[in-house]
Amino acid sequence: QQQVKQSPQSLIVQKGGISIINCAYENTAFDYFPWYQQFPGKGPALLIAIRPDVSEKKEGRFTISFNKSAKQFSLHIMDSQPGDSATYFCAAVRLSNFGNEKLTFGTGTRLTIIP
Amino acid sequence: EADIYQTPRYLVIGTGKKITLECSQTMGHDKMYWYQQDPGMELHLIHYSYGVNSTEKGDLSSESTVSRIRTEHFPLTLESARPSHTSQYLCASSEFFPTSGRVYEQFFGPGTRLTVL
Repeated sequence: QQQVKQSPQSLIVQKGGISIINCAYENTAFDYFPWYQQFPGKGPALLIAIRPDVSEKKEGRFTISFNKSAKQFSLHIMDSQPGDSATYFCAAVRLSNFGNEKLTFGTGTRLTIIP
Repeated sequence: EADIYQTPRYLVIGTGKKITLECSQTMGHDKMYWYQQDPGMELHLIHYSYGVNSTEKGDLSSESTVSRIRTEHFPLTLESARPSHTSQYLCASSEFFPTSGRVYEQFFGPGTRLTVL
């Protein structure tokens, strides 16, 4: 079963607009929620991440909003630029003192920023 | 820039051939992973390792096998390639206990795009 559901599958946003990608999770044991960005021909790279004890985290134009009660989190890209065109994956992980974490990825969102 | 390498980057091969996809990292990470990424983008964990001589199967069943004889090297082998194995294969690594300032991060290689005819 899909433990982390991501939407939309694809998104087209005009340059300067706000891009919003949503994710929902089921397992309440998850306690760390990263977003990965993947450009064509490259592997994913960590973009930004949040712990569930905060409702929002901002790094430059990228913001994660987290709603623990609804088990949802979203990525907001402000002032979207053509260079932001990429595939974005949300993920969830249960941290462990034993070092046996595994990432559970969402299905990905292909973002295209048009001029 | 993550120091994790995959070769070859692209491979086109005929059915029945044995292939090995190479993955190496120079970060000294104990944990390494193989993912299969389908054309619909979704990432599926097929193998992982927590250190030398440790290998485990991932969430997606795969006919491939892996080995971990050296910390820096985690090759994936297909004994007899089939068209159903056509996919993008991504290798990743992470620290056993993060010291980089991040809570938890996997570093990905650029991937190998495999086509089996």
